[in-house]
Amino acid sequence: TQLLEQSPQFLSIQEGENLTVYCNSSSVFSSLQWYRQEPGEGPVLLVTVVTGGEVKKLKRLTFQFGDARKDSSLHITAAQPGDTGLYLCAGSLYNAGKSTFGDGTTLTVKP
Amino acid sequence: NAGVTQTPKFQVLKTGQSMTLQCAQDMNHNSMYWYRQDPGMGLRLIYYSASEGTTDKGEVPNGYNVSRLNKREFSLRLESAAPSQTSVYFCASSDVRKSYEQYFGPGTRLTVT
Repeated sequence: TQLLEQSPQFLSIQEGENLTVYCNSSSVFSSLQWYRQEPGEGPVLLVTVVTGGEVKKLKRLTFQFGDARKDSSLHITAAQPGDTGLYLCAGSLYNAGKSTFGDGTTLTVKP
Repeated sequence: NAGVTQTPKFQVLKTGQSMTLQCAQDMNHNSMYWYRQDPGMGLRLIYYSASEGTTDKGEVPNGYNVSRLNKREFSLRLESAAPSQTSVYFCASSDVRKSYEQYFGPGTRLTVT
């Protein structure tokens, strides 16, 4: 059973466009993380959201945690080729001591 | 700080061979994890260790064993490799106060023929 569903699976856009990727679940999470992974490397943590309705910004990236703590979104403004990569969301259930990862969104930004 | 290191980076095995993947972290983290990543399937947890001396099964533990050698090191062993174990393996660690924020190594690319 896949606890976290990410959409879209693939996204190819031109430089300068805006985009949003989604991470949805039927489970309530104590926190949710977003990671970016470049080819041949391990995932790198971008942000953690812990409060329902929380919005965090990291330069051109905006992360939102749903009010019910079951879903999250990542919005990128004016995408650049350097944003290309696999974006993974991961959720932690209360006292689980481990995280569950979504299957990821592969983003390609063309110059 | 090197963070999380993994060896080897690449490995090719024949079916039935055994090998151990090594992982070490220098961040004084209590928790360590082993994942496998297959195309289009994200990261799946194989085993994890919440603290030195403890290990627990994850989502896909069959065919693997682990050893938490000390606080720094967590190894993954394939006793009899199968083609279905061809994958990229990632080790990760996290602090006990923020166990959900994981730091990953560069991965080991394993091919079983």
